[in-house]
Amino acid sequence: GQQVMQIPQYQHVQEGEDFTTYCNSSTTLSNIQWYKQRPGGHPVFLIQLVKSGEVKKQKRLTFQFGEAKKNSSLHITATQTTDVGTYFCADNTGGFKTIFGAGTRLFVKA
Amino acid sequence: EAQVTQNPRYLITVTGKKLTVTCSQNMNHEYMSWYRQDPGLGLRQIYYSMNVEVTDKGDVPEGYKVSRKEKRNFPLILESPSPNQTSLYFCASSPRSRGNTGELFFGEGSRLTVL
Repeated sequence: GQQVMQIPQYQHVQEGEDFTTYCNSSTTLSNIQWYKQRPGGHPVFLIQLVKSGEVKKQKRLTFQFGEAKKNSSLHITATQTTDVGTYFCADNTGGFKTIFGAGTRLFVKA
Repeated sequence: EAQVTQNPRYLITVTGKKLTVTCSQNMNHEYMSWYRQDPGLGLRQIYYSMNVEVTDKGDVPEGYKVSRKEKRNFPLILESPSPNQTSLYFCASSPRSRGNTGELFFGEGSRLTVL
């Protein structure tokens, strides 16, 4: 069935280093959403990308949607301890069904 | 305050004892959905509902039932829980409708253990 592969599964960084998580699909995505889940918390919506090649920024976070709309990435510049958590991408191409990637858990060492 | 409320937040039960996890939202959203979260597997969709009396299966519906009698409520029913249903469950609602993929608003989660 439809799958969204997300890598890496874990990432340990020193505070101030950059971080990137990637999502890939074998099929064309109509849109992709990104969520952040703090440890012990619930997923919180970050952003939605719809257009081919779209790039959106939120302060130190940069989100990209691939030209072929089969991949997406989230890049954090100069990580801070407040960035810790798990980042998920989510594919809504199936209409009302949502397929989440397995998530990338980010650890930031101060 | 706009929110999605789940109860109970924590539950330990035994195999075969029917249980219901309630979910309520106060944002007048038509769309609601249930997910389970397991280590290494991310969030997997159990059931979703596009509106009152309209529900459909997600990717892992086996062993679960849902109902949507009112717009604000979307309970998850485990008729005969088994240990493989031990998981963290999230309810979510969204302003999404056909042709509009809105963001998901998640509840705080319900951690269920089936012995």
